[in-house]
Amino acid sequence: QKEVEQNSGPLSVPEGAIASLNCTYSDRGSQSFFWYRQYSGKSPELIMFIYSNGDKEDGRFTAQLNKASQYVSLLIRDSQPSDSATYLCAVFIYSSASKIIFGSGTRLSIRP
Amino acid sequence: DAGITQSPRYKITETGRQVTLMCHQTWSHSYMFWYRQDLGHGLRLIYYSAAADITDKGEVPDGYVVSRSKTENFPLTLESATRSQTSVYFCASRRQGISDTQYFGPGTRLTVL
Repeated sequence: QKEVEQNSGPLSVPEGAIASLNCTYSDRGSQSFFWYRQYSGKSPELIMFIYSNGDKEDGRFTAQLNKASQYVSLLIRDSQPSDSATYLCAVFIYSSASKIIFGSGTRLSIRP
Repeated sequence: DAGITQSPRYKITETGRQVTLMCHQTWSHSYMFWYRQDLGHGLRLIYYSAAADITDKGEVPDGYVVSRSKTENFPLTLESATRSQTSVYFCASRRQGISDTQYFGPGTRLTVL
């Protein structure tokens, strides 16, 4: 079992709708959780981080964390074509010598 | 400019040659990382460094060597390049704190013929 799992997609969402991206992790010692966006041919860029159970909102983005169920999700409201990218979930596990473990990413496509 | 830079951005080499990829950050972050990214595998950690002169293996270290004599530099060397090392390589540094954020360099696209 991978430490961080994501559906590879592609996930196709109509413009203006809500895109929902999910991620599960295996290590209960995980402390912080991140969502990175990566455009084709570019490096990953951080868009959200969360470390407490519940929701965290930043503009059109909402990160949701449920430590009991070991999942973290990212909601993108009012999806725009510019949101089309691969979204990487990442988990900071203190027990793993302070490494951040990345999922393989979900490819999101916003159709006009 | 502050940030993290990588050089070269593109490199073509031949099997058996030694190649060094450079990474430089201006934030004085203690932690630095090297990842490779391949289709179907996502980001895989090659090596990381917690501070100058402290390095450790990641998930896929075979065939790679790192050093870190200065906080700001973290070069990655492929001692004898193989075709399987054709990949995109990302360097990252980490800002420690409540968010523990990693920042990535622009990447180096390496092709081994």
